Amino acid sequence: NAGVTQTPKFQVLKTGQSMTLQCAQDMNHNSMYWYRQDPGMGLRLIYYSASEGTTDKGEVPNGYNVSRLNKREFSLRLESAAPSQTSVYFCASSEEGTAANYGYTFGSGTRLTVV
Amino acid sequence: GNSVTQMEGPVTLSEEAFLTINCTYTATGYPSLFWYVQYPGEGLQLLLKATKADDKGSNKGFEATYRKETTSFHLEKGSVQVSDSAVYFCALSGYSTLTFGKGTMLLVSP
Repeated sequence: NAGVTQTPKFQVLKTGQSMTLQCAQDMNHNSMYWYRQDPGMGLRLIYYSASEGTTDKGEVPNGYNVSRLNKREFSLRLESAAPSQTSVYFCASSEEGTAANYGYTFGSGTRLTVV
Repeated sequence: GNSVTQMEGPVTLSEEAFLTINCTYTATGYPSLFWYVQYPGEGLQLLLKATKADDKGSNKGFEATYRKETTSFHLEKGSVQVSDSAVYFCALSGYSTLTFGKGTMLLVSP
């Protein structure tokens, strides 16, 4: 089925380890996003890429880096994981400039635990 | 900046009860408004949307009306089912990003 695919679905890291969360979409969308979801906090934007070749910080970018590898793929990297980064991470995509009208399509999430 | 405030949950109802989940917003300009639903263990799915004042979004028996004068977008359903148990998020648009509320959990019992 068409949509947004995230890998892995679950991951446990030790403090200080690094990892990359992968996201790919097959809807030919221009814009892609990374959010984290924490209890009582809702969804908070980490980084986004309005179009291929551009990335911008969101509300909570510290401790993360992103790469827009091509139009389909947008990865999120944790260089040195901390327990505060334990969360559920969601990738989403939309047509450029149309999030205002059509919203996002979300992936199913990556549940990350840092011990 | 933009912000969304939702009523805190959980909201607990019996099957066939009437549902209201309140959502108010603060925004510059004229944002579009959305309700998303998240079932356990899944990502968020768009439930309904409204792009201008007085628009009514509707889907699967859920409705919400864009009220500019009260800066609100309350979600309603006339008769909830057990299968409606989920977390509901209100959101508003900037140019290329969405701002979400904290979510409201709905629990419906038989």
